[in-house]
Amino acid sequence: AQSVSQHNHHVILSEAASLELGCNYSYGGTVNLFWYVQYPGQHLQLLLKYFSGDPLVKGIKGFEAEFIKSKFSFNLRKPSVQWSDTAEYFCAVNSDNFNKFYFGSGTKLNVKP
Amino acid sequence: DAGITQSPRYKITETGRQVTLMCHQTWSHSYMFWYRQDLGHGLRLIYYSAAADITDKGEVPDGYVVSRSKTENFPLTLESATRSQTSVYFCASTAEVGPYEQYFGPGTRLTVT
Repeated sequence: AQSVSQHNHHVILSEAASLELGCNYSYGGTVNLFWYVQYPGQHLQLLLKYFSGDPLVKGIKGFEAEFIKSKFSFNLRKPSVQWSDTAEYFCAVNSDNFNKFYFGSGTKLNVKP
Repeated sequence: DAGITQSPRYKITETGRQVTLMCHQTWSHSYMFWYRQDLGHGLRLIYYSAAADITDKGEVPDGYVVSRSKTENFPLTLESATRSQTSVYFCASTAEVGPYEQYFGPGTRLTVT
């Protein structure tokens, strides 16, 4: 089975601080990578995704992520967080070779105003 | 445009009772998924379906049953609910598996007493 690891379970930042959330996956083949965000009390929404091309992808709300194939990583970044970014963030992977998504355990981000 | 809906949104039931969670999508997506979300575990796949009458197990299928007689509906049944099945359940759908995002429903919070 594939696995997705998110090493930071809970991150607390002040507004305007920079953010980087780690994500590593185990599958060695071609993958599609996703970051989802879940705001308090809401369902998951897509933040950004990578499937080919430029390994630096930009998503909504100023988020970006970099795919580093040699490290099996897809870290999420934002240069300056806002209080409204308080949410839980999930990394996910799928592949054209298997009909499932695999999610990481999530990182809860708490941004202090 | 209703998208993907789940019912009920909240449910309290007793140990040993049968419970069915409903999921309905209006996009005619081929793939549908059921996840449970628990603290510290992120999202875990229970069952998924590639099309009507085609279903397959995910990571944690024990104690659950699914069916998919129509493309738009994917009910999840807990045959004999246990306290360990207390969780938030999310349904999701996607047109195809590949570089396509999953769309999530609002979730059902189930408590088994």
